[in-house]
Amino acid sequence: NAGVTQTPKFQVLKTGQSMTLQCAQDMNHNSMYWYRQDPGMGLRLIYYSASEGTTDKGEVPNGYNVSRLNKREFSLRLESAAPSQTSVYFCASSEADGRYNEQFFGPGTRLTVL
Amino acid sequence: AQSVTQLGSHVSVSEGALVLLRCNYSSSVPPYLFWYVQYPNQGLQLLLKYTSAATLVKGINGFEAEFKKSETSFHLTKPSAHMSDAAEYFCAVSAFSGSARQLTFGSGTQLTVLP
Repeated sequence: NAGVTQTPKFQVLKTGQSMTLQCAQDMNHNSMYWYRQDPGMGLRLIYYSASEGTTDKGEVPNGYNVSRLNKREFSLRLESAAPSQTSVYFCASSEADGRYNEQFFGPGTRLTVL
Repeated sequence: AQSVTQLGSHVSVSEGALVLLRCNYSSSVPPYLFWYVQYPNQGLQLLLKYTSAATLVKGINGFEAEFKKSETSFHLTKPSAHMSDAAEYFCAVSAFSGSARQLTFGSGTQLTVLP
């Protein structure tokens, strides 16, 4: 049981380049989330998917797109990377019907945009 | 809207001393509250959660937290710090927004344990 996995672990991009961050979970969870973590700001929600086939914007969606490929996989795409997107990105999953929304996190992707 | 405030972005304690990390919440309904821990270069791991079953919640690694409605607080404590407790700790509140329950995180408290 791997839990939540993310690829790649590290990435360096130049301004304007594009890339996709991959996330997969093997816990049969319905809901999946993408966060970014910046120093002193905690985690901020970028996008989430309450169930397969649905996606919604979170607190900081600008500059990002997502795809819920199937129940297991939820990808985050940067179409034209900017230095302000330098951050650590975390994917998480949870039971959709869980009252408490306990979320399980992946190990993160450290992205640097030059 | 729900929110959490963590008082103190950095806390230092000596090994063996009491750990106290503060979290205050704002919620219009009975909240579901969480503490997560993040070790260096890792993802977040759940320490404990409050789900209204009991006001004193015990978690992993000897941590516990007490829900105090009158003070809107959910402070995290551990009687005796260990070097391995050095990490960043996040308080979070669960709220329904849009099409799903979401977690709103505090800004985090970095715990340093001194030998």
